[in-house]
Amino acid sequence: GDSVTQMEGPVTLSEEAFLTINCTYTATGYPSLFWYVQYPGEGLQLLLKATKADDKGSNKGFEATYRKETTSFHLEKGSVQVSDSAVYFCALIWAAGNKLTFGGGTRVLVKP
Amino acid sequence: EAGVAQSPRYKIIEKRQSVAFWCNPISGHATLYWYQQILGQGPKLLIQFQNNGVVDDSQLPKDRFSAERLKGVDSTLKIQPAKLEDSAVYLCASSFVGVTYEQYFGPGTRLTVT
Repeated sequence: GDSVTQMEGPVTLSEEAFLTINCTYTATGYPSLFWYVQYPGEGLQLLLKATKADDKGSNKGFEATYRKETTSFHLEKGSVQVSDSAVYFCALIWAAGNKLTFGGGTRVLVKP
Repeated sequence: EAGVAQSPRYKIIEKRQSVAFWCNPISGHATLYWYQQILGQGPKLLIQFQNNGVVDDSQLPKDRFSAERLKGVDSTLKIQPAKLEDSAVYLCASSFVGVTYEQYFGPGTRLTVT
């Protein structure tokens, strides 16, 4: 079945550092890909999405590119802030199944 | 715009006891989801409703879990009897019909079974 694999955390960074969170997937066909973020004490919220190969999703300074050849959707941000401390979840949806499948989440801690 | 509301936020029970969680989705969202999130894992879908009908409950342990959405708005999820392995955060989410990828999540209910 469909699955999503993320790098394990926690990832600890200093402010203004470069962040990368790796995400790879296995799925039948070509799913749509997403990053969700969960800030402390809050519910998950959609951060960005890409619906086809080579699409780049972006939001709040974060970017991720749908790479069909490597079945990856790595999340990047050039200069993190303390407020980016959260748990990040990679997810996919396969249109026929119409169900979100999440990775295990990666906790990111940004220190001042 | 009010978000997805859930209650209680925390619950501690002993094994074999019963527990119920409540969810109120965003107004206008016909699709409602219940997820189980075990510590260190991503959310796993338990059940999906569209209005008051069940769309997918393939991963719901039906011998002990039940859920309803009688009027197509609020929903309750019940566990009876609880087991130690049910300790998790139970998340409720909602979305517009056909926009399954953009789900709005509530803050969750953290359940501890002792």
